Amino acid sequence: EAQVTQNPRYLITVTGKKLTVTCSQNMNHEYMSWYRQDPGLGLRQIYYSMNVEVTDKGDVPEGYKVSRKEKRNFPLILESPSPNQTSLYFCASSWGSSYNEQFFGPGTRLTVL
Amino acid sequence: RKEVEQDPGPFNVPEGATVAFNCTYSNSASQSFFWYRQDCRKEPKLLMSVYSSGNEDGRFTAQLNRASQYISLLIRDSKLSDSATYLCVVNSRNTPLVFGKGTRLSVIA
Repeated sequence: EAQVTQNPRYLITVTGKKLTVTCSQNMNHEYMSWYRQDPGLGLRQIYYSMNVEVTDKGDVPEGYKVSRKEKRNFPLILESPSPNQTSLYFCASSWGSSYNEQFFGPGTRLTVL
Repeated sequence: RKEVEQDPGPFNVPEGATVAFNCTYSNSASQSFFWYRQDCRKEPKLLMSVYSSGNEDGRFTAQLNRASQYISLLIRDSKLSDSATYLCVVNSRNTPLVFGKGTRLSVIA
């Protein structure tokens, strides 16, 4: 089944404790991206990647890191999480570029205390 | 002016009604346009792309007006299962995808 998977789906952590949210897709998509969704603010892009070893900042990259060592994986790293990073996070992938249909993962609900 | 603006709703309509949503965008260089649907606490899913000539998919019709910089979504014969949040998405070359905040639709029996 073609899909985007994210882990963990739910996470409660404390300020400053490094964490990684994994994202993997099995559709051989070149383009991958991370979004956060907050009430009243909608979906905002954090980082995106056009292909392996190519990443770029989205609208809200501060406090986040990403890497794209393999085509299928695009982990999101929070080196020192803070409460304002409490949010619902979505990973997405698409064939070619952002001009095409984005396939979203099921989301990761993160709470930083 | 915000990049992509949508009426947040909620739109509460009876089953069988026709409902229309509009979305305006500020970047005149925008090149591709989409409507996504998002159910509560779920991931967004593509409903339809929006083409310059307008396009239809069953009960759903999307229109693009480049001169006035807006796109629209028309839902005919609303079903209970159409209840969701509808996200307008706009893409421009070399810029991140921009999502509207969404319009919430509730179809009532």
